Amino acid sequence: SQQGEEDPQALSIQEGENATMNCSYKTSINNLQWYRQNSGRGLVHLILIRSNEREKHSGRLRVTLDTSKKSSSLLITASRAADTASYFCATDAKNSNYQLIWGAGTKLIIKP
Amino acid sequence: ETGVTQSPTHLIKTRGQQVTLRCSSQSGHNTVSWYQQALGQGPQFIFQYYREEENGRGNFPPRFSGLQFPNYSSELNVNALELDDSALYLCASSLVGKQETQYFGPGTRLLVL
Repeated sequence: SQQGEEDPQALSIQEGENATMNCSYKTSINNLQWYRQNSGRGLVHLILIRSNEREKHSGRLRVTLDTSKKSSSLLITASRAADTASYFCATDAKNSNYQLIWGAGTKLIIKP
Repeated sequence: ETGVTQSPTHLIKTRGQQVTLRCSSQSGHNTVSWYQQALGQGPQFIFQYYREEENGRGNFPPRFSGLQFPNYSSELNVNALELDDSALYLCASSLVGKQETQYFGPGTRLLVL
């Protein structure tokens, strides 16, 4: 079963705008990760945030984590056409031996 | 490029047949996980191998089985294929000491008719 739920399911914005995606999960976690997937191919790791961290940056990506609300957000600033992809959050639950549990993803479309 | 490869890229089978999917990871990746991703869904964890032994399993029946070899390659075997087994199958490997980050192969798309 899915652990996380991404919101929205789909997002379409103009190039240059910021895109925000949200993820909620159910159990206590060691960390939360965001991945990108282009056209049903392999998943590319974007960023990992640990349960004791609240915010993390990587280039144009900003991730926040609120463990009290069991939620995370991914912000992509100054979006580009190449950012068009599906974005997934994955959680590594405590005592899980690094078994990732995934949400259903947000499909992001950047319009030129 | 993650250095993780999978073969074949696409496969068509009929219901009841058996299939073997292969994954090859980099030296030093001692953990491999397999995921099933149905169209429009997130990946579902099938199982994980660590040092050639199964180290955890998701909610998949025993007809899904796997192997991990000393040369950092692994296999996913599915017996008695069902139509619902049609999906993208992804393998992911992890570096020793950094198992929280997984490196994914491009996947094998399986269609069961």
